[in-house]
Amino acid sequence: AQSVTQLDSHVSVSEGTPVLLRCNYSSSYSPSLFWYVQHPNKGLQLLLKYTSAATLVKGINGFEAEFKKSETSFHLTKPSAHMSDAAEYFCVVSDPLFSGGYNKLIFGAGTRLAVHP
Amino acid sequence: GAGVSQSPSNKVTEKGKDVELRCDPISGHTALYWYRQSLGQGLEFLIYFQGNSAPDKSGLPSDRFSAERTGGSVSTLTIQRTQQEDSAVYLCASSLGFGVGGAYETQYFGPGTRLLVL
Repeated sequence: AQSVTQLDSHVSVSEGTPVLLRCNYSSSYSPSLFWYVQHPNKGLQLLLKYTSAATLVKGINGFEAEFKKSETSFHLTKPSAHMSDAAEYFCVVSDPLFSGGYNKLIFGAGTRLAVHP
Repeated sequence: GAGVSQSPSNKVTEKGKDVELRCDPISGHTALYWYRQSLGQGLEFLIYFQGNSAPDKSGLPSDRFSAERTGGSVSTLTIQRTQQEDSAVYLCASSLGFGVGGAYETQYFGPGTRLLVL
């Protein structure tokens, strides 16, 4: 079975400090992993994705994530937070080999990031 | 180009009424997905279309929910005899198609339809 656990429901940082949003996954096969961001009253936007190429994935707006198979983790980081980063972040797993060849997304519960001046 | 669009953006209905939610995927995308985002359940998969067929309806919460897709493009999610627990944001996503890896995997989401059942 597939599942995603986001370890923090809320994270609060000061502007200019690093961001770490933690995610652990469970998957039977070779998963694809994604981070999506949702700003208030906006749709989901893809930040980055891992699909079995490089384990360190760079995304938009300075975010990156590292796939660690031994730890079943896919944590999201950013060196310096900006006020505009305040949003909800979702870690997502998909495993087409498990779900019959299509990309059914399994979402984590989300982490709400607050950025203070 | 144009993204995924959904209509209406907001819908308020009375318990027991039927509602229809519409999704227009990105042109050329053959795969279409419906998800639901609610306070109690988070984001959950409802149904997947490849072309006009729906190989996986496993996420539909009850037989009051149905969906169809015509012409390999527009999809409609219908909820019959709405209940208060149906209140949620219904999200549609599309992707290039069926398969593993690369651009085929990325799902692009619409802004959602916020449904409130009174």
